Amino acid sequence: NAGVTQTPKFQVLKTGQSMTLQCAQDMNHEYMSWYRQDPGMGLRLIHYSVGAGITDQGEVPNGYNVSRSTTEDFPLRLLSAAPSQTSVYFCASSRLATSYEQYFGPGTRLTVT
Amino acid sequence: AQKITQTQPGMFVQEKEAVTLDCTYDTSDQSYGLFWYKQPSSGEMIFLIYQGSYDEQNATEGRYSLNFQKARKSANLVISASQLGDSAMYFCAMREGAGAQKLVFGQGTRLTINP
Repeated sequence: NAGVTQTPKFQVLKTGQSMTLQCAQDMNHEYMSWYRQDPGMGLRLIHYSVGAGITDQGEVPNGYNVSRSTTEDFPLRLLSAAPSQTSVYFCASSRLATSYEQYFGPGTRLTVT
Repeated sequence: AQKITQTQPGMFVQEKEAVTLDCTYDTSDQSYGLFWYKQPSSGEMIFLIYQGSYDEQNATEGRYSLNFQKARKSANLVISASQLGDSAMYFCAMREGAGAQKLVFGQGTRLTINP
């Protein structure tokens, strides 16, 4: 049981490049989400999914796309990276019930130059 | 309007003392949940404790307890007998309503435990 895994751990992109951050969980959780954490800040929700084929926007969705083709995977795509997207990205998953904590992945530190 | 407010950017506490980290929240929902997470310098997010809006008892998990004052909309984290390993960032977060687990986080409090 690996929990929530994220790849890569670190990434440097040039402005305008695209990439996909990978997230997978092996706990059969219905709910998955992506957050970003900027320096000195709390986490902010980018996109989330309540099940395969269902996604929705969070607080800061601009510049990011997601899809959920399986229960296990929830990739985050940056279509054209911008310096403002320099951040630490966390993927999280949980049961779709009110009292369950979210399990967070280890994070991906992304720098856009 | 900020939904989660943590007014203490940093706190310094002597080892073995108890410490209270403040969190106030703003919501018009009757059903909501409050979470505390710890983020050590290694960066991972560690779940500490959860309080539901309908829970009548304050939540406790080992050395952690949540002082839930619904009328004041506060959900302070109390750490008893602090340890050096408690030094970290602490985030309060809220889930509004039932269903999807969308969390709104505060800006965090950096706790430093001095030997």
